[in-house]
Amino acid sequence: AQTVTQSQPEMSVQEAETVTLSCTYDTSESNYYLFWYKQPPSRQMILVIRQEAYKQQNATENRFSVNFQKAAKSFSLKISDSQLGDTAMYFCASIQGAQKLVFGQGTRLTINP
Amino acid sequence: DTGVSQNPRHKITKRGQNVTFRCDPISEHNRLYWYRQTLGQGPEFLTYFQNEAQLEKSRLLSDRFSAERPKGSFSTLEIQRTEQGDSAMYLCASSPLGFYGYTFGSGTRLTVV
Repeated sequence: AQTVTQSQPEMSVQEAETVTLSCTYDTSESNYYLFWYKQPPSRQMILVIRQEAYKQQNATENRFSVNFQKAAKSFSLKISDSQLGDTAMYFCASIQGAQKLVFGQGTRLTINP
Repeated sequence: DTGVSQNPRHKITKRGQNVTFRCDPISEHNRLYWYRQTLGQGPEFLTYFQNEAQLEKSRLLSDRFSAERPKGSFSTLEIQRTEQGDSAMYLCASSPLGFYGYTFGSGTRLTVV
């Protein structure tokens, strides 16, 4: 079965700092995709970044980048120059052949002024 | 297109009553998903449709839950004889075919009193 684990329930950093959120996953498939979603307080979930497992190059979207370690089944999210608007729940998720997203438990990130 | 729309945004119901939620996906998206999210947790998969066909249903979904997607357009999720444990945020998402990630709606928050 597909599983996703986020071991950091909460994190807090100062504005402009860099923060890394951890995620590990388990899958028996060779072809799968990994995602990070952001859910601001009382707002809808939005896609932050997407990684295809067969691509070795780490995905980057502006201040957001991932460190994808396929052998270790690790998929961490780095947020550079953090901003107050980055405060949110962050969910790691994976999708494989069954084609439904499986989510981790989430990490509550607070950016302090 | 204005994204995925869910109605109502909030629903308070008495235990034992039936409730129905509606989701209008992005029009060109073939797939539609229902998830349930409790406070501080990641979304849990309930069911999904490809066009009008319901392709998978989670074991979390008891016989009191039913979902439909007539004509492959909007979808409804009905909960019969609601229980307090049904209180949660019900999220709808849609996606095109492939592994592009989902677009989520704002959710329907159900409170059973």
